[in-house]
Amino acid sequence: EDQVTQSPEALRLQEGESSSLNCSYTVSGLRGLFWYRQDPGKGPEFLFTLYSAGEEKEKERLKATLTKKESFLHITAPKPEDSATYLCAVQVGGNEKLTFGTGTRLTIIP
Amino acid sequence: SQTIHQWPATLVQPVGSPLSLECTVEGTSNPNLYWYRQAAGRGLQLLFYSVGIGQISSEVPQNLSASRPQDRQFILSSKKLLLSDSGFYLCAWSSTRGTEAFFGQGTRLTVV
Repeated sequence: EDQVTQSPEALRLQEGESSSLNCSYTVSGLRGLFWYRQDPGKGPEFLFTLYSAGEEKEKERLKATLTKKESFLHITAPKPEDSATYLCAVQVGGNEKLTFGTGTRLTIIP
Repeated sequence: SQTIHQWPATLVQPVGSPLSLECTVEGTSNPNLYWYRQAAGRGLQLLFYSVGIGQISSEVPQNLSASRPQDRQFILSSKKLLLSDSGFYLCAWSSTRGTEAFFGQGTRLTVV
């Protein structure tokens, strides 16, 4: 069975304090790994898709990387508006569905 | 550009009442459509997905059903709600390539 595990469950950082969120996965035939941002009471907002080990994507203060077993979401010099829950999901080849992790709740303290 | 609409935003229903949540997508044709449920503090659980009109795949046996009467319309239903049906329901779409999914704003359902 496909599994996605995110850590830590919650992370509190001071504004400007860089860190990384982890998403480890156990799947057969990874087709894509996805990162989403979710604000309270809202639907997830798509951030990145990664397809193969070694791939990196960047958007503003966020950078996502992928290895054969895990993905990292690096956040550089975060601001309070980066506070949200960050979700990771995987898609297996030949399957239309996404399997999600339980997310990391990130809080940036001014 | 593509947009997804989901309504209502919040809903309070008594146990045993019926349910109908609707989702529509604009700006694309033949999308893959999904219904997810998110319980408090838990990940998104896929309930149903559809790759075309009238084609529904169920992931979890439960008190709910889904229908796709039109290409860009996806409906989640129940004949009789249970307390355990409470949660945050999310509709999503992806292209026929089946890569990243884009979500609606969700419906907060409380069964009382």
